[in-house]
Amino acid sequence: QVQLVESGGGVVQPGRSLRLSCAVFGFTFSSHGMHWVRQAPGKGLEWVAVIWYDGSEKYYADSVKGRFTISRDNSKNTLYLQMNSLRAEDTAVYYCARDPGYSSSGPEYWGQGTLVTVSS
Amino acid sequence: SYDLTQPPSVSVSPGQTARITCSGDALPKKYAYWYQQKSGQAPVLVIFEDNKRPSGIPERFSGSSSGTMATLTISGAQVEDEADYYCYSTDSSGNHRGVFGGGTKLTVL
Repeated sequence: QVQLVESGGGVVQPGRSLRLSCAVFGFTFSSHGMHWVRQAPGKGLEWVAVIWYDGSEKYYADSVKGRFTISRDNSKNTLYLQMNSLRAEDTAVYYCARDPGYSSSGPEYWGQGTLVTVSS
Repeated sequence: SYDLTQPPSVSVSPGQTARITCSGDALPKKYAYWYQQKSGQAPVLVIFEDNKRPSGIPERFSGSSSGTMATLTISGAQVEDEADYYCYSTDSSGNHRGVFGGGTKLTVL
């Protein structure tokens, strides 16, 4: 069945970088767009970024544009989120999610999330 | 930036119909998606493309959209439906950026 497993979260100091990974199983990764969504402690969901099935198009929320980069390796069935210049307000559980289509319809299947804490 | 507006909370008794609304200027042109999130768990898709139900989602969950408002309806709400519900859509400007509503806490008691 469809499975998404995030990793790479942890505690990081403000201004530093972190890379999240999302390994997928049970479907043809190269046929689906992929999203990152985050949720700060006690807050609602915030869409972060999307990448199309072949990596040709990428879109970002204004809050992370210029600091975060979404990418994928279809040969490894893995999605990435490179997070630079981290701020306290980036503290959140980060979820990866599959899009039902090639591009950007909406998150469909979700992983269980990985917690990123930005603190000195 | 584009916003989707939801009521912070909705409360019903078991067996009653719960309706959660989501308003946004682009909804006449863009689909709405709905997610259920129970405490400590990842979100689950319950409605996609305004009114389609994924396999495994109970028939009591339905969706509709008219003009600038999308609605999630839970007919005969059960205690286990108590959760946070979020709508999602995309910006109509063609930049494919997503946005979530602020979420609605559904209480069934």
